[in-house]
Amino acid sequence: GESVGLHLPTLSVQEGDNSIINCAYSNSASDYFIWYKQESGKGPQFIIDIRSNMDKRQGQRVTVLLNKTVKHLSLQIAATQPGDSAVYFCAENRDFGNEKLTFGTGTRLTIIP
Amino acid sequence: NAGVTQTPKFQVLKTGQSMTLQCAQDMNHNSMYWYRQDPGMGLRLIYYSASEGTTDKGEVPNGYNVSRLNKREFSLRLESAAPSQTSVYFCASIRGQANTDTQYFGPGTRLTVL
Repeated sequence: GESVGLHLPTLSVQEGDNSIINCAYSNSASDYFIWYKQESGKGPQFIIDIRSNMDKRQGQRVTVLLNKTVKHLSLQIAATQPGDSAVYFCAENRDFGNEKLTFGTGTRLTIIP
Repeated sequence: NAGVTQTPKFQVLKTGQSMTLQCAQDMNHNSMYWYRQDPGMGLRLIYYSASEGTTDKGEVPNGYNVSRLNKREFSLRLESAAPSQTSVYFCASIRGQANTDTQYFGPGTRLTVL
């Protein structure tokens, strides 16, 4: 079946370096993508989103890139800080008007001081 | 605003017991959701409510029931808990539709069924 998944389950990055978390999706009809951050013991927190008519969107220290040709989504975090240590999920909304999101399994990012 | 709140934060049940997980949001959102999160798996949708008075099944509805009590509150009930329902449960809400608006999540309820 179609799914949202992540290439790397764990990622360790030196503090101050940039990190890239990847996500693959298989449904070409997906039109909206979201990245969430989940810290230990807490609920997922919205980071950034992107619509399918865009290929890049920037926030504060974060950038999401969308490559529809290869159905690939990435989250770039610049100048990582210890507070960036968390699990990061991508999610997709597959159909316009559909009330459901499909979530990936997550990548654990650890920032090394 | 408190956002999305959930009670209780932790719960231990014996097999066959029943309980209701409570969720409330103060953002005047239309849609509300219940997810479960298990190790190594993404969030899976149990039930959702697109508006007050409506509920629909998600990916894993078996063993659960829901009630959209009013616009603010959306409860999840386990009538006869099973060990397979040991999980972390998250409630979420959204103002509009999932393809345009952000879902806001509660802090979760950690449920253990013995």
